[in-house]
Amino acid sequence: DAGVIQSPRHEVTEMGQEVTLRCKPISGHNSLFWYRQTMMRGLELLIYFNNNVPIDDSGMPEDRFSAKMPNASFSTLKIQPSEPRDSAVYFCASSFAHGAEIYEQFFGPGTRLTVL
Amino acid sequence: EDQVTQSPEALRLQEGESSSLNCSYTVSGLRGLFWYRQDPGKGPEFLFTLYSAGEEKEKERLKATLTKKESFLHITAPKPEDSATYLCAVQAYDYKLSFGAGTTVTVRA
Repeated sequence: DAGVIQSPRHEVTEMGQEVTLRCKPISGHNSLFWYRQTMMRGLELLIYFNNNVPIDDSGMPEDRFSAKMPNASFSTLKIQPSEPRDSAVYFCASSFAHGAEIYEQFFGPGTRLTVL
Repeated sequence: EDQVTQSPEALRLQEGESSSLNCSYTVSGLRGLFWYRQDPGKGPEFLFTLYSAGEEKEKERLKATLTKKESFLHITAPKPEDSATYLCAVQAYDYKLSFGAGTTVTVRA
């Protein structure tokens, strides 16, 4: 299995530009998570999808952030317009959830975003 | 609100010098405690899941234990390749993982 795939791995953009991050979860997983990691705040959950449906987006910092999951094998996280404080590493993770059973999350390699 | 505190923040070990990392947590209704390893420039890599107090799991030189208030990750006779940041996370009665800040382990040859 290729694991969780994210693209791009690095993104440098200027303030005000639109940024789109992409994720392909592990085949067979039905849960997808977007996280942001910074030195100051550590790993923070932004949004959680289950069976392609957004369940909890309370971690999305502002309306500038949006996420979609059009099918089971693809998700995007968009920032528009981007700001320097959005600079961070963004991770996508996937897992399998069945009823009340809890399963481990597998993380992708991350996208390092730098907003100038 | 779930809280996870890891200590120490950093740990420098000589090769072969065993040690332990601590993860203390406050959560209403623990469903699982997870340990991850993160190398620089990479995503967290899953190591263990512990579900109940008294449970232990091992993988090579790593052993994780769980009590009602904390978990320990024991590193036995570490090697330089064990150098990484070790993250602890707890999951309550929902899907969310609450992560600690991590312990950065450096093992010198």
